[in-house]
Amino acid sequence: NAGVMQNPRHLVRRRGQEARLRCSPMKGHSHVYWYRQLPEEGLKFMVYLQKENIIDESGMPKERFSAEFPKEGPSILRIQQVVRGDSAAYFCASSSRVGSWETQYFGPGTRLLVL
Amino acid sequence: AQTVTQSQPEMSVQEAETVTLSCTYDTSESDYYLFWYKQPPSRQMILVIRQEAYKQQNATENRFSVNFQKAAKSFSLKISDSQLGDAAMYFCAYRSNNNDMRFGAGTRLTVKP
Repeated sequence: NAGVMQNPRHLVRRRGQEARLRCSPMKGHSHVYWYRQLPEEGLKFMVYLQKENIIDESGMPKERFSAEFPKEGPSILRIQQVVRGDSAAYFCASSSRVGSWETQYFGPGTRLLVL
Repeated sequence: AQTVTQSQPEMSVQEAETVTLSCTYDTSESDYYLFWYKQPPSRQMILVIRQEAYKQQNATENRFSVNFQKAAKSFSLKISDSQLGDAAMYFCAYRSNNNDMRFGAGTRLTVKP
């Protein structure tokens, strides 16, 4: 059973370009979470999705950021018109159960560098 | 590959008492970083404490301290004078020098009043 997979592992973009980050949850998991880790800071929750639904996007910036988890395929975190402040590590986690205490399994992260 | 193991899926502690959460990791590197994160039901991940592998002194943050045993590749978290607000999921994490990060499966801590 493969773990949570994220790609690319490293992504370099110039200001104004778009960044697409992909997350494939563990087999059998239908809940996906995205977190952002700015340098020298802890992880910050961005968005929680189930298949085809956004459940909680309270941690995601209102502009330029969007997320989806289609019926088929990986979850996508999309950042439009990237700025230097978007440079961070973006982690995805997945879980199989609903509820506050479900165990989340983390992917290795995507490191985004905006030049 | 680096792996992080938290062998205790759940732990329980009486308010005001002390609890220790276990974490072991596997690596061939000599220089790396270790973290403990707290995740309350809000899902926000809160950095509790960090340890640089080159430092022999155990990190301490108020009621939180670690027992870092580099040779044994062990990094346990001790919470003293436990409070109700300490109830959460706790994740141990390893970060290599090239920023490759790995998380353990988590330990759910319950604090009994």
